[in-house]
Amino acid sequence: GESVGLHLPTLSVQEGDNSIINCAYSNSASDYFIWYKQESGKGPQFIIDIRSNMDKRQGQRVTVLLNKTVKHLSLQIAATQPGDSAVYFCAENVNQGGKLIFGQGTELSVKP
Amino acid sequence: GAVVSQHPSRVICKSGTSVKIECRSLDFQATTMFWYRQFPKQSLMLMATSNEGSKATYEQGVEKDKFLINHASLTLSTLTVTSAHPEDSSFYICSARKDSLDTEAFFGQGTRLTVV
Repeated sequence: GESVGLHLPTLSVQEGDNSIINCAYSNSASDYFIWYKQESGKGPQFIIDIRSNMDKRQGQRVTVLLNKTVKHLSLQIAATQPGDSAVYFCAENVNQGGKLIFGQGTELSVKP
Repeated sequence: GAVVSQHPSRVICKSGTSVKIECRSLDFQATTMFWYRQFPKQSLMLMATSNEGSKATYEQGVEKDKFLINHASLTLSTLTVTSAHPEDSSFYICSARKDSLDTEAFFGQGTRLTVV
């Protein structure tokens, strides 16, 4: 089912530090995962994706790790900047019409 | 990258009236679009899947007569909130995917609906 109804957990980091945001997904059959960044009052913005046949993928300053055994995703942001402050959501592709189901989300706050 | 545009970005309406929100894919054709609802400090909740030329598929607990979805073309889906009430006030977001289903979804900028 959808992950809704809970208030967002928060993560506060110092500028320049690395951030790790975690997500537990629900469906073991999900085959594709995406991390999104959402700033206040805006729609989600794509950050990075990973398919279920991979366990790690790197982008610019970001890395996504996938552990299918425990149905866990993480997003690592290197050298976190104030502009990274936002809410981060993981989303899983449920292979039933291609719909994306969003995780709970984490609010990242970067202190200058 | 692909662009999805929503209109309006903000709307205020009176209780009992209906509001239509448009979602357009500007530079690609989307056979499938998705409508989400988001309350403050919460995650996006999928409401329905909008299929071009056919009826929308609603998620459990979402009233199809309350939230009318029309996907008349490959670039436009509309969500109409009928007989709106204050509890319908929320942030509504649409997304669209290109032909392949296992690719990223592109999101609109969202519509803030306030029912007074």
